Amino acid sequence: DIQMTQSPSTLSASVGDRVTITCRASQSINNWLAWYQQKPGKAPKFLIYRASILQSGVPSRFSGSGSGTEFTLTISNLQPDDFATYYCQQFYSYYTFGQGTKVEIK
Amino acid sequence: QVQLQQSGSGLLKPSQALSLTCAISGDSVSSNSAAWNWIRQSPSRGLEWLGRTYFRSKWQNDYAVSMKGRITIKPDTSKNQFSLQLTSVTLDDTAVYYCSRDFGWGMDVWGKGTPVIVSS
Repeated sequence: DIQMTQSPSTLSASVGDRVTITCRASQSINNWLAWYQQKPGKAPKFLIYRASILQSGVPSRFSGSGSGTEFTLTISNLQPDDFATYYCQQFYSYYTFGQGTKVEIK
Repeated sequence: QVQLQQSGSGLLKPSQALSLTCAISGDSVSSNSAAWNWIRQSPSRGLEWLGRTYFRSKWQNDYAVSMKGRITIKPDTSKNQFSLQLTSVTLDDTAVYYCSRDFGWGMDVWGKGTPVIVSS
């Protein structure tokens, strides 16, 4: 199984900040990576696919990059609605999620 | 707009079978490009993919290795839905269960989630 490791587990930030979340795969997954946002009591929301392509309707302050084993999700100009938990997911060999990164208010 | 409506049992005793259904509106379970998944989420395991069903000239299923032997995911074309059955549940199966759609690069539509509690 491919393991996905996110860092940090928790990130404290303020509105307007630029934040970066890292996701590492235990083996190369090319760019078969997706990112999701989840708020308490809700299902995950699909943000980015193929590592860097924004899903329709996702604000452009979200961006993704990376290939192989290392990936990043960046949120520029953090907005109040962005405080949530973010997950990466690999699609190279079935599906595995990272353990999540909680973006909380500083 | 595609929507997934989940239904099924939420409180079980150990050794019982879990049964959940995901009804699809706005798409077809027989789609030649989509796959239909079950995922669960718990504090101890995080988000865990359980398995999927999809149609590519014939029906196919894939299951997480950790679930094999206990899980069945079935399409129901007459009702445009798919189901999850998990046998011999234990306390460790307590989680929120989600269904989702994916096209091979991301799960773009999710059900609202069904909390399942296994308790003696």
